[in-house]
Amino acid sequence: GESVGLHLPTLSVQEGDNSIINCAYSNSASDYFIWYKQESGKGPQFIIDIRSNMDKRQGQRVTVLLNKTVKHLSLQIAATQPGDSAVYFCAEKLGRYGNNRLAFGKGNQVVVIP
Amino acid sequence: NAGVTQTPKFQVLKTGQSMTLQCAQDMNHNSMYWYRQDPGMGLRLIYYSASEGTTDKGEVPNGYNVSRLNKREFSLRLESAAPSQTSVYFCASSVSGGPYSNQPQHFGDGTRLSIL
Repeated sequence: GESVGLHLPTLSVQEGDNSIINCAYSNSASDYFIWYKQESGKGPQFIIDIRSNMDKRQGQRVTVLLNKTVKHLSLQIAATQPGDSAVYFCAEKLGRYGNNRLAFGKGNQVVVIP
Repeated sequence: NAGVTQTPKFQVLKTGQSMTLQCAQDMNHNSMYWYRQDPGMGLRLIYYSASEGTTDKGEVPNGYNVSRLNKREFSLRLESAAPSQTSVYFCASSVSGGPYSNQPQHFGDGTRLSIL
């Protein structure tokens, strides 16, 4: 079936640098996307979301970009901090018939180097 | 504000034993969900409840049952635990779960369950 995936399993980034985490999705009917952060031993924490009628959305130190043409989603973290070390994964809502059910990617480990 | 609370945090069972995982949310959300997370698999939906009084199967429902006790509480039961059910279980909730809803799901911190 169709799935959400992440390109890079591990991203190492120097503290203070910007991080970019990528996600490819395959369901063209998906209309809503979410980025989650998961720290060790914790549940997924909502970071930011974006609807399919938008290309970009900004939050505090984070920006999500959506390119529907190539079915690509990215999360940019500005001035990465040690507390940003975690697994990040994207999720897509499977269209209006998905009943708000989400399909999750496997995750991408971000390691911040002090 | 506690958000989504799961109990217990850890549990070890023997094959064939039964167990109920508890979940409660204090955000007045209508929809609640149960997932399991296994290494390399991502989160997989077991059951969900779009609103109080309704439950539906997700991607991997076999071996599980659920009860939406009231608007706040959604429990997951393993009737006869099997080693394949060793996993981390997460409960989540969202404001609503209808087909036109675009709302994030908010998660608890999980129950780590081992079946021997």
